[in-house]
Amino acid sequence: GAGVSQTPSNKVTEKGKYVELRCDPISGHTALYWYRQSLGQGPEFLIYFQGTGAADDSGLPNDRFFAVRPEGSVSTLKIQRTERGDSAVYLCASSFSIERNTEAFFGQGTRLTVV
Amino acid sequence: AQKITQTQPGMFVQEKEAVTLDCTYDTSDQSYGLFWYKQPSSGEMIFLIYQGSYDEQNATEGRYSLNFQKARKSANLVISASQLGDSAMYFCAMRTSGTYKYIFGTGTRLKVLA
Repeated sequence: GAGVSQTPSNKVTEKGKYVELRCDPISGHTALYWYRQSLGQGPEFLIYFQGTGAADDSGLPNDRFFAVRPEGSVSTLKIQRTERGDSAVYLCASSFSIERNTEAFFGQGTRLTVV
Repeated sequence: AQKITQTQPGMFVQEKEAVTLDCTYDTSDQSYGLFWYKQPSSGEMIFLIYQGSYDEQNATEGRYSLNFQKARKSANLVISASQLGDSAMYFCAMRTSGTYKYIFGTGTRLKVLA
């Protein structure tokens, strides 16, 4: 498809486990964003990439969260030692470039539940 | 600090009527963009409309228009001729040339009544 693809759509994991969430941006989009959305809240910024580098990771809540984008396309958000408070919908978005004020296109999200 | 404020947690509108969803923003950057997104119960964020800080005319996209009042730092979304399918959460967002990330408000849940 031509949109942003996120896998898995749902993930249930036990407290303390490690999880990886994957994002496939729109082809040709150089900017990629990760957001976290809790129930009834707006998306909360985590990190964004321009190409392969993390340009701003100021939204990552702590060092258990890490994200990579090794080839400038697919990105993986990694969460170590998951906690129940990490339960949320994780949204990925991409846009044509950082420099232009264009809209970001979002994926369907990954619903993470930590039990 | 960059901030988006949406003061209406929930709104009701009668089908075929117009509705205004409020959004105010705070930034010291001169160059920024304002966006509205719709999030139906399915969870997908759907882009609706964009307004640039230097745009002199209010943006319009079909039934959506953005009432941009720069001096008041407001960017209200107007939906005309509401339809049942417009029932959803609506988020206002801002992106500045200084930070590049999209900052979202807390959203407004709109319910269209038949």
